[in-house]
Amino acid sequence: AQSVTQPDIHITVSEGASLELRCNYSYGATPYLFWYVQSPGQGLQLLLKYFSGDTLVQGIKGFEAEFKRSQSSFNLRKPSVHWSDAAEYFCAVGRPISGTYKYIFGTGTRLKVLA
Amino acid sequence: DAGVTQSPTHLIKTRGQQVTLRCSPKSGHDTVSWYQQALGQGPQFIFQYYEEEERQRGNFPDRFSGHQFPNYSSELNVNALLLGDSALYLCASSLEGRGANVLTFGAGSRLTVL
Repeated sequence: AQSVTQPDIHITVSEGASLELRCNYSYGATPYLFWYVQSPGQGLQLLLKYFSGDTLVQGIKGFEAEFKRSQSSFNLRKPSVHWSDAAEYFCAVGRPISGTYKYIFGTGTRLKVLA
Repeated sequence: DAGVTQSPTHLIKTRGQQVTLRCSPKSGHDTVSWYQQALGQGPQFIFQYYEEEERQRGNFPDRFSGHQFPNYSSELNVNALLLGDSALYLCASSLEGRGANVLTFGAGSRLTVL
């Protein structure tokens, strides 16, 4: 069965430090991959997506993610974290089914940023 | 350009009651998906509507039903509410077409069942 694993439930970093959030997926082929961010009381906002091509993708707010097929991973990175990045981050995979796409989300990683 | 709008934003119900949540998709989008996000969890897919029909369904009981209207807006209905139905219900819209569709989410409707 397809699944998405975000092994880190909580991560705390200092403002200005680098960040890496891990995401591993289980799927027989290369799925479409997404990272979303959710601020408290808000819906999910798309940070970036990977469909094909260059395995390093750039997103909004200075985030980037790298697709590694051999590791079934799609980790999210940011070189320097800002206090406003404190939020919950969700990795998701999309796979084709019955003429459309089904999306599966991980359980999320909650990011805390120390001043 | 209005994004996805959901109503109500918050509501409280008691066990056994019924609830209806509403969603207006992003302008230009024609597909609506509903997700349930329990506290501390990721969104779980409930179902998807396209051309006024349910096209996909996740692992949710028949107490969960929906509808899509000709203007692409959608409703989620939950009957015989259980305590475990307490969650944030997210509506996401997308545009049908080739390739994977990027979901645009609303802010959600937070349902509390007492």
